[in-house]
Amino acid sequence: LAKTTQPISMDSYEGQEVNITCSHNNIATNDYITWYQQFPSQGPRFIIQGYKTKVTNEVASLFIPADRKSSTLSLPRVSLSDTAVYYCLVGGDSWGKLQFGAGTQVVVTP
Amino acid sequence: SQTIHQWPATLVQPVGSPLSLECTVEGTSNPNLYWYRQAAGRGLQLLFYSVGIGQISSEVPQNLSASRPQDRQFILSSKKLLLSDSGFYLCAWSKGSEYQETQYFGPGTRLLVL
Repeated sequence: LAKTTQPISMDSYEGQEVNITCSHNNIATNDYITWYQQFPSQGPRFIIQGYKTKVTNEVASLFIPADRKSSTLSLPRVSLSDTAVYYCLVGGDSWGKLQFGAGTQVVVTP
Repeated sequence: SQTIHQWPATLVQPVGSPLSLECTVEGTSNPNLYWYRQAAGRGLQLLFYSVGIGQISSEVPQNLSASRPQDRQFILSSKKLLLSDSGFYLCAWSKGSEYQETQYFGPGTRLLVL
């Protein structure tokens, strides 16, 4: 499983765009990049997954450059309820095993 | 739709006591099942995963064990709890049919060993 590196924490104000970059230099050819969100005292929740270029859903966008050695999760116009820990995961074996790092704590203030 | 349940929600146990945490999934069949532990302020550590009834793989050697007596039931156990077993225990499931598939997590059990 490819190792990922992401910032420990990020602060933002309501209404701003938050961009979290994850480094994964050893990403394998068939690895996807997946992001999960975790609120306090809850289990993580899938946000978005991508392989290359850009993926967008109702929650976030995921930007992946051509070399795929990094990715950026973009949260548009954050609100207080977006305060959470965000995990970047790369790869996973055939049994679906994932490796969660420490994640990025995002704190949104008024 | 699929639903995952965990109980109890919270548990306070003395050191040396036994443990049994239960996880059940509804609305799907033959899922992959996972047990994770999360220490305070830390990421998730995969403890066990199962691809079928009676099939358990352990990721971290410790005093915990897991069992899957039924297709959609996953149990985490210990004969004697240690202080270091305190944490937030999460059960998750995935379809088991796709590569790098999404995992769906339960509400978790917060365990405090005193």
